[in-house]
Amino acid sequence: KQEVTQIPAALSVPEGENLVLNCSFTDSAIYNLQWFRQDPGKGLTSLLLIQSSQREQTSGRLNASLDKSSGRSTLYIAASQPGDSATYLCAVRRRGSQGNLIFGKGTKLSVKP
Amino acid sequence: NAGVTQTPKFQVLKTGQSMTLQCAQDMNHEYMSWYRQDPGMGLRLIHYSVGAGITDQGEVPNGYNVSRSTTEDFPLRLLSAAPSQTSVYFCASSYGTGEPYNEQFFGPGTRLTVL
Repeated sequence: KQEVTQIPAALSVPEGENLVLNCSFTDSAIYNLQWFRQDPGKGLTSLLLIQSSQREQTSGRLNASLDKSSGRSTLYIAASQPGDSATYLCAVRRRGSQGNLIFGKGTKLSVKP
Repeated sequence: NAGVTQTPKFQVLKTGQSMTLQCAQDMNHEYMSWYRQDPGMGLRLIHYSVGAGITDQGEVPNGYNVSRSTTEDFPLRLLSAAPSQTSVYFCASSYGTGEPYNEQFFGPGTRLTVL
């Protein structure tokens, strides 16, 4: 059974710091991995999608990497800002599924001014 | 494009009542799904559809029904609401399930309380 774990559960950093969020999964047979952002009381916003054939994706200050063999993904946020404060979720789509995502429980990030 | 829309935003039900949560997308997406989000449990899949007329169960389908008569709409029906169904419900969609069309987009959610 695919399980997705995100560590730490919460993280507080000062503004301007570079930071890394971690995601691990137990079954390397995945189609893709997607990182989301969720603000309190809001829906999920897709940040980055990494296909199983890719090693990383970049969007602005965000960079996500994928290492299927070790079952790990990292989300790197450069020069963090208070507006980056949110919960970050990673989700994998397991091979053999129809597009169904298995989610981690998220990392709650707080960036202090 | 409005993206994925959900109605209502908030709903309070009494135990035993039934209701339908609405989900619509205007992106011509074939794949649609419903998740519930509970504290400490994360998001879990309820039902999904790979196209009009095709639906299947996810991880936690009991107490919920779905149908997909059009590409645009994927309503979720609670047959007889129970307090255990108090949750935040999210609808998601993607153009397809294969590369490069498998990025999933989520709606804003419906916050349901069952008393």
